[in-house]
Amino acid sequence: RKEVEQDPGPFNVPEGATVAFNCTYSNSASQSFFWYRQDCRKEPKLLMSVYSSGNEDGRFTAQLNRASQYISLLIRDSKLSDSATYLCVVNPTPSGNTGKLIFGQGTTLQVKP
Amino acid sequence: GAVVSQHPSWVICKSGTSVKIECRSLDFQATTMFWYRQFPKQSLMLMATSNEGSKATYEQGVEKDKFLINHASLTLSTLTVTSAHPEDSSFYICSAREKREASYNEQFFGPGTRLTVL
Repeated sequence: RKEVEQDPGPFNVPEGATVAFNCTYSNSASQSFFWYRQDCRKEPKLLMSVYSSGNEDGRFTAQLNRASQYISLLIRDSKLSDSATYLCVVNPTPSGNTGKLIFGQGTTLQVKP
Repeated sequence: GAVVSQHPSWVICKSGTSVKIECRSLDFQATTMFWYRQFPKQSLMLMATSNEGSKATYEQGVEKDKFLINHASLTLSTLTVTSAHPEDSSFYICSAREKREASYNEQFFGPGTRLTVL
């Protein structure tokens, strides 16, 4: 079983749609969770951290369910510029001191006009 | 702030040659740098963790004698792919973690180096 699993997609949605991505992780001791965005042939960039209480940043909402070891990302009012691969990322160590990050395969989003 | 550069951005080499990739933190000191590899349509895979002034810690399955890592200063780490072969062709990405309290976890990624071995 992969440490971080995501549906690779692609998700094809029209502009303005709401789309949700899910991710599961295997290490129950994990403490830090993130969503990164990666454009084609580019480095990943931090989109947002994911907190236990859930958090929102503009059109983006992240949720964490520790009991189910499940993370989600909701994008509202999709824009063409949201087209990218979204990476679910977990720090598997309890204290987070090592900085080690485990990346999911990524979910590809294509927003169509 | 928090800019990480990589050089070269792409390289093509013949099988059997060695290639050195540099990773620099331009405006901060990085206690730790990480090296990742990404094959097409796959996730980033951590290869090794590099701490300034000490030996790198390699992930399982990564040959330390083939992928030489040097982290001589707080702003520079290098990855040398020795005796490269076509199967080493990949996108190599470094990241750097800023020198702050241990719990701070954000990493800043370099733009990556695309290696093609003929």
